[in-house]
Amino acid sequence: DTAVSQTPKYLVTQMGNDKSIKCEQNLGHDTMYWYKQDSKKFLKIMFSYNNKELIINETVPNRFSPKSPDKAHLNLHINSLELGDSAVYFCASSLPMGGQGRENGEQFFGPGTRLTVL
Amino acid sequence: RKEVEQDPGPFNVPEGATVAFNCTYSNSASQSFFWYRQDCRKEPKLLMSVYSSGNEDGRFTAQLNRASQYISLLIRDSKLSDSATYLCVVKYTGGFKTIFGAGTRLFVKA
Repeated sequence: DTAVSQTPKYLVTQMGNDKSIKCEQNLGHDTMYWYKQDSKKFLKIMFSYNNKELIINETVPNRFSPKSPDKAHLNLHINSLELGDSAVYFCASSLPMGGQGRENGEQFFGPGTRLTVL
Repeated sequence: RKEVEQDPGPFNVPEGATVAFNCTYSNSASQSFFWYRQDCRKEPKLLMSVYSSGNEDGRFTAQLNRASQYISLLIRDSKLSDSATYLCVVKYTGGFKTIFGAGTRLFVKA
């Protein structure tokens, strides 16, 4: 009954490989996100999707390609992995803005995927 | 200048102490404000939203000053379990753009 789930939890791979991370939410949210948290623990937004459409792309290299087959899923595919891609990647989802209270844009995060590129 | 700036700490306080964290943001179009908490090797979780009128949730009080573009979090009667990183968060562009501060680390000691 996990609200936001990600697979895999850990990913160790060689430079140059292509890998995917999957994300699913069962909260009925319309908006989903991908974040990267680097070794300095700085959490930075990469993409925002709303109703399967890309809303925000924060100057992420083209090697990163998100795909949203439906509102409950937002997967992240990474081509030609580089050492600098090593980080923890978090998926999140939220209700749209508007209204008051915790529902006003609260984001629910998945447990994270720790990617190590060797 | 970073869009959201926080004192990284760490703050080392004894149990029972009161501690305050500050955060400034640069985009005056910012619409919503939050404090999140992140435990070591875990995902961030919402601690509380921040409203212009100020709001309180138990031992936690959040304040927003839109004129100064400043957000604060006050923790009273600190517990060991409050040890974590506290993230200041700002949203705009209809809520789709979310900017996290770098976080403030808190250690509460017995």
